[in-house]
Amino acid sequence: EVHLVQSGAEVKKPGATVKLSCKVSGYNFADYHMHWVQQAPGKGLEWMGLINPEDGETLYAEKLQDRVSISADTSTDTAYMELSSLRFEDTAIYYCTISRDWAFPSWGQGTLVTVSS
Amino acid sequence: QSVLTQPPSVSGAPGQRVTISCSGSSSNIGAGFDVSWYKRLPGTAPKLLIYLNSNRPSGVPDRFSGSKSGTSASLAITGLQAEDEADYYCQSYDSSLSGWVFGGGTKLTVL
Repeated sequence: EVHLVQSGAEVKKPGATVKLSCKVSGYNFADYHMHWVQQAPGKGLEWMGLINPEDGETLYAEKLQDRVSISADTSTDTAYMELSSLRFEDTAIYYCTISRDWAFPSWGQGTLVTVSS
Repeated sequence: QSVLTQPPSVSGAPGQRVTISCSGSSSNIGAGFDVSWYKRLPGTAPKLLIYLNSNRPSGVPDRFSGSKSGTSASLAITGLQAEDEADYYCQSYDSSLSGWVFGGGTKLTVL
């Protein structure tokens, strides 16, 4: 069974950087692209970017590409998402999820990031 | 403002049928990119209900069905149950944005 387990909640100050992790099990890490999705309070789901763990190739949402960085460690089957220059509006739940057939069949439990002064 | 447009809310009585629409454009749904649907309960991760426009993953009841036509897609839920009360999201890919896109979400209320 596929499992994606994310790191715990974070509280950061404006301007800081946060790095979240997502450890997978139950499948070959390199087989599927890993994506990150944001859900701000009261808002919908927003795609942030993806990584192909097999070759490290990344693709980022235009509005975030200056601040987001996604990486993958195939030795530990773990993906990471780093978001820099944090703003109050980055307060959100961040999910990792894998894609198959252009859909997202498996998700992590989510990590709450709170940006507060 | 989401790239895919969904109604903010829909409602129906137990046993009834409801549909949720998802309107896109020529750079996403209209370009032939497939649509997926998700159910999200408060405090939980989204759950995949429909992929490739009309396919159900194992374990999803056949009360849920999806369709796509032109630049729009729809999710239909028949035999509405109290447990169906949740937020529903559509999702596709957009070639102009070179990325995956979601609808703004629709809150389903079971009366």
